[in-house]
Amino acid sequence: AQSVTQPDIHITVSEGASLELRCNYSYGATPYLFWYVQSPGQGLQLLLKYFSGDTLVQGIKGFEAEFKRSQSSFNLRKPSVHWSDAAEYFCAVYGGATNKLIFGTGTLLAVQP
Amino acid sequence: DAGVTQSPTHLIKTRGQQVTLRCSPKSGHDTVSWYQQALGQGPQFIFQYYEEEERQRGNFPDRFSGHQFPNYSSELNVNALLLGDSALYLCASSQTGPSGEQYFGPGTRLTVT
Repeated sequence: AQSVTQPDIHITVSEGASLELRCNYSYGATPYLFWYVQSPGQGLQLLLKYFSGDTLVQGIKGFEAEFKRSQSSFNLRKPSVHWSDAAEYFCAVYGGATNKLIFGTGTLLAVQP
Repeated sequence: DAGVTQSPTHLIKTRGQQVTLRCSPKSGHDTVSWYQQALGQGPQFIFQYYEEEERQRGNFPDRFSGHQFPNYSSELNVNALLLGDSALYLCASSQTGPSGEQYFGPGTRLTVT
């Protein structure tokens, strides 16, 4: 069955520090993968996506993610975190024929000054 | 481009009542999906509408129903509300195609008392 695992429920980083949020997926074929960000009480904003090709994808707000097929991972990174990055981050895989996005449980990011 | 819009923003209902939530897709999009996001969880797929038909459905009871109009806007109806239906309901729109790239609205916060 298709699934997404985000092992870290809550992460705290200092402003200016680097960030890596983990995502592992289970999917039989080549996946379409996404990272979304959600501010409190808000909808989801698409950060970046992977469909095919270059395994390192760039997104908005200085984020990037790397697709590693051998590890079934799609980790999100940012070299220097800003206080405004504090939010919840969701990794998702597109379920192909099911036409739906399957989300992980999210990682809540706190940024210390 | 107004993006995906949803109404109302917040809603309080009593157990056993019925509720209708509304969604207007992003310009150029013809497919609408609905998700339920309980507190502290990732969004869960309810169903998807395309060409005014329900194309896919997640693991939700028949109390959850929907509709898509010729202008691609959509409604989500929930009958016989339960306390457990309290959640953020997210609408996402997309273009027909295999990529699964979906754009989300700000959501409707439903509270059932």
